[in-house]
Amino acid sequence: KNEVEQSPQNLTAQEGEFITINCSYSVGISALHWLQQHPGGGIVSLFMLSSGKKKHGRLIATINIQEKHSSLHITASHPRDSAVYICAGLGGSQGNLIFGKGTKLSVKP
Amino acid sequence: EPEVTQTPSHQVTQMGQEVILRCVPISNHLYFYWYRQILGQKVEFLVSFYNNEISEKSEIFDDQFSVERPDGSNFTLKIRSTKLEDSAMYFCASRDRVSRYEQYFGPGTRLTVT
Repeated sequence: KNEVEQSPQNLTAQEGEFITINCSYSVGISALHWLQQHPGGGIVSLFMLSSGKKKHGRLIATINIQEKHSSLHITASHPRDSAVYICAGLGGSQGNLIFGKGTKLSVKP
Repeated sequence: EPEVTQTPSHQVTQMGQEVILRCVPISNHLYFYWYRQILGQKVEFLVSFYNNEISEKSEIFDDQFSVERPDGSNFTLKIRSTKLEDSAMYFCASRDRVSRYEQYFGPGTRLTVT
């Protein structure tokens, strides 16, 4: 069964801190989406990764295919980064996503 | 920038009623998806749609659910006889043929069944 596990479930940080969110996935998942969900519920795609590393602004995502592990890093965190960050694996043959439970990040000023 | 839109943003219905949730995917996208998120839980896959037919569906997507692309732009999810447990946020997503993986999500429809 395809699964995606995230940690931690909740994360509180002080503004400026370096943040890491981890995601492990099972065999059968070929790529990962990192997504951001705002309090209103909307979902925004941050990265899609099948290998290596991607960077966008203060966000960095890495994936280790051998270990089936991905991380999302936020440098110089800011209160506006507060959101739920979700890791989702590409599991089905038609591209459907299998979601982790999400990490609720709260960045305090 | 093109975006996926969904209507309505919030729908309240009584148990047993039929509801139709509407989505307009990005215009050149060919693959369409519905997901749902029950409050406090993770997002779950419901169904994928390609070439005017269902390509994959989850165990959740039973006979009470159906999808349709009636006019080449809208993509709808119908729940025939709503149950209390259908209360959730429903997300539509789409992707193009070139991007094997990246999906673009709509803002969601919050369905409340009373």
